[in-house]
Amino acid sequence: DAGVIQSPRHEVTEMGQEVTLRCKPISGHNSLFWYRQTMMRGLELLIYFNNNVPIDDSGMPEDRFSAKMPNASFSTLKIQPSEPRDSAVYFCASSIWDIIGNTIYFGEGSWLTVV
Amino acid sequence: SQQGEEDPQALSIQEGENATMNCSYKTSINNLQWYRQNSGRGLVHLILIRSNEREKHSGRLRVTLDTSKKSSSLLITASRAADTASYFCATDASSSGNEKLTFGTGTRLTIIP
Repeated sequence: DAGVIQSPRHEVTEMGQEVTLRCKPISGHNSLFWYRQTMMRGLELLIYFNNNVPIDDSGMPEDRFSAKMPNASFSTLKIQPSEPRDSAVYFCASSIWDIIGNTIYFGEGSWLTVV
Repeated sequence: SQQGEEDPQALSIQEGENATMNCSYKTSINNLQWYRQNSGRGLVHLILIRSNEREKHSGRLRVTLDTSKKSSSLLITASRAADTASYFCATDASSSGNEKLTFGTGTRLTIIP
């Protein structure tokens, strides 16, 4: 299996520009998560989907952030307009619930720098 | 706020020694998991321990869970240079499954060759 695939791996953009991060979860997984990681705040859950439906978006920082999951194999996280404080590594992860528990598989991350 | 807090924040040991990291959490859980993150990479699942288990082994890893103290420990025996990474605990407090894991702040482990 190819694992969780994220793109782009690295992006540098100017303040005010729109940023779109993309994610392809592992085939067959029914939960998808977007996390943000910074030195100051650690790993924060932004939003997660179950069967393509957003379940909890309480971690989304503000209205500039939005996420969609139009189908089981694709999700986007959009920041518009971007600000320097949005600079972070954004991870997408997916999982499938089983009798053992909710093990999450992470992508390699999208490294975002807003200048 | 973080559900889990790892201790210590950073740990440096000689290759071959054992490394112990601790995790404390605040609410009742269904299970607790440990993940490793190599520099510049995503997190990788290591081991899961259920709330009704007290100890679990996987290769050189040993995890304990004390639900009365709301704490867990991860022991890596006979450490290797390749074990250098950050280690995170994550708790699952969901009631119905398919819900979020909450990650701790991590322990940065450095193995000195």
